[in-house]
Amino acid sequence: KQEVTQIPAALSVPEGENLVLNCSFTDSAIYNLQWFRQDPGKGLTSLLLIQSSQREQTSGRLNASLDKSSGRSTLYIAASQPGDSATYLCAVISSWGKLQFGAGTQVVVTP
Amino acid sequence: NAGVTQTPKFQVLKTGQSMTLQCAQDMNHNSMYWYRQDPGMGLRLIYYSASEGTTDKGEVPNGYNVSRLNKREFSLRLESAAPSQTSVYFCASSGELQGEQYFGPGTRLTVT
Repeated sequence: KQEVTQIPAALSVPEGENLVLNCSFTDSAIYNLQWFRQDPGKGLTSLLLIQSSQREQTSGRLNASLDKSSGRSTLYIAASQPGDSATYLCAVISSWGKLQFGAGTQVVVTP
Repeated sequence: NAGVTQTPKFQVLKTGQSMTLQCAQDMNHNSMYWYRQDPGMGLRLIYYSASEGTTDKGEVPNGYNVSRLNKREFSLRLESAAPSQTSVYFCASSGELQGEQYFGPGTRLTVT
């Protein structure tokens, strides 16, 4: 059974520092991996999708890497801002489309 | 272009009452999903629909039914609500079954 783990569970950094969020999964037979952001009381916003054939994906200040063989993905957020404060979730997508979520990393960026 | 919309945003039910949560997407996506989010349990898949006319069970389908009314709409029905169904319910859609999923704003349901 696929298990997705996100470490750390919470992270606090001063504004301007780079953020590094980790996601690990136990079954490397994934189709895609997706990173989301969730603000308190809100829905999930898709940040990046990495296909299983890709090693990384970039969007603005965000960069996500994927190493299927070791079962890991890392989300980097450069030059963090207070507006980046949120919970970040990773999810692996199986061949039939099921998203298996990690528990998330709660990020606080202090001014 | 509204993306994925859900109604209602909030609902309080008494045990045993029934209700239907509505979801619609305007992105011409083939696949749609219903999830529930609970503290300490994360997000879990209830049902999904790979394409119009098909539905399949996810991880936690007991106590729920779904209808894929057309390509745009996917509803979730609670026939006899129980306190264990108190949760936040999210609908999502994707262009293909393995593709990027887009989520609605959620419905916060309390069953007393």
